[in-house]
Amino acid sequence: GQQVMQIPQYQHVQEGEDFTTYCNSSTTLSNIQWYKQRPGGHPVFLIQLVKSGEVKKQKRLTFQFGEAKKNSSLHITATQTTDVGTYFCAGGGGSARQLTFGSGTQLTVLP
Amino acid sequence: DAGVIQSPRHEVTEMGQEVTLRCKPISGHDYLFWYRQTMMRGLELLIYFNNNVPIDDSGMPEDRFSAKMPNASFSTLKIQPSEPRDSAVYFCASSFGTRNQPQHFGDGTRLSIL
Repeated sequence: GQQVMQIPQYQHVQEGEDFTTYCNSSTTLSNIQWYKQRPGGHPVFLIQLVKSGEVKKQKRLTFQFGEAKKNSSLHITATQTTDVGTYFCAGGGGSARQLTFGSGTQLTVLP
Repeated sequence: DAGVIQSPRHEVTEMGQEVTLRCKPISGHDYLFWYRQTMMRGLELLIYFNNNVPIDDSGMPEDRFSAKMPNASFSTLKIQPSEPRDSAVYFCASSFGTRNQPQHFGDGTRLSIL
């Protein structure tokens, strides 16, 4: 079945450093979504990408969808302590009947 | 607008007891999803409904788990009998339109089976 892999699993950065997490699907996707889960909280939808090569920005966050629609990345510029949490990608379409969530990247920002 | 509402927020019970988790999706949403989250296995989809009909229950771990959606505004996930390995955070999520639309998650139920 469809698999969505996410790396790294954990990332520790100093406040002010940049951060990137990568998502790879075993099949071509119709869309990719990104979610953020704060410690003790629930996943919260951030953004959806649907077009090949699409790039979207939300303040310090930049999201990309690969040309082949099989990979994606989330880049955070100049991290802040409020960025702490686990970032999940979720792939839609492909061979799966529903969204397939990646394993998440847990970001720790050291002050 | 109210988000997805789950109850209870926390549940602690002894092994062998029946556990019922409840979810009220966002009004107007036609898809409802139940997830389980653990450190070891991450976020796992258990089952999802479309217009109150179960579509895919392949993620339900075993017959001890059952889920129902008697109407558009209510769903339950039941575990009977419960076991310690069922301890996890259970999330309910809902979405509108297609199965691949953004999902709105509830706050979750933190379940501990002793």
